[in-house]
Amino acid sequence: AQKITQTQPGMFVQEKEAVTLDCTYDTSDPSYGLFWYKQPSSGEMIFLIYQGSYDQQNATEGRYSLNFQKARKSANLVISASQLGDSAMYFCAMRELSSQGGSEKLVFGKGTKLTVNP
Amino acid sequence: EAGVTQSPTHLIKTRGQQVTLRCSPISGHTSVYWYQQALGLGLQFLLWYDEGEERNRGNFPPRFSGRQFPNYSSELNVNALELEDSALYLCASSLGRRDDEQFFGPGTRLTVL
Repeated sequence: AQKITQTQPGMFVQEKEAVTLDCTYDTSDPSYGLFWYKQPSSGEMIFLIYQGSYDQQNATEGRYSLNFQKARKSANLVISASQLGDSAMYFCAMRELSSQGGSEKLVFGKGTKLTVNP
Repeated sequence: EAGVTQSPTHLIKTRGQQVTLRCSPISGHTSVYWYQQALGLGLQFLLWYDEGEERNRGNFPPRFSGRQFPNYSSELNVNALELEDSALYLCASSLGRRDDEQFFGPGTRLTVL
């Protein structure tokens, strides 16, 4: 069974600083995908970034980058130049594939609550 | 382009009642996923529908059920509500291909008294 671990229940960062949110995963599948989602207090899950297990380069999307270390089974999210609006819950997730190869479901970590201080 | 929509946004029910939650996926998406986010428990996978068929379900009792309609919208039904069913229910949709991300709706917050 796949498992996602986020060891930081809460993190604090000063505005304009960078912050790293940790995520480790466990899977025996050779092919997998890793996602990060942001969940503001409104509840909606906002997709941030995706990393495929065979991707050669670390994914980047604007201020978000993923520090993917396959041998260590870690996929840490780096947010550069933090903004007050970045305060939210952040979830790391792994995609499980169905036997037919389609995207079946996401397995989520318990999340990290990020607070950006002015 | 409209995102995933869910209705209602909030719902209050009492124990033993039944509830139906609705989800409309992004246009062109054929896969719909339901997740439960109970306080302190993180997001738990409930159901996956694709092309009108239930493809998989998570570790939930049979009183959680649903269906997907020909237009790919979906309903989640919960019978015999229990207090621990109080949660945010999130629906997501995707194209269903292996590398596609899931786009989430705003959720339905269910409170069971």
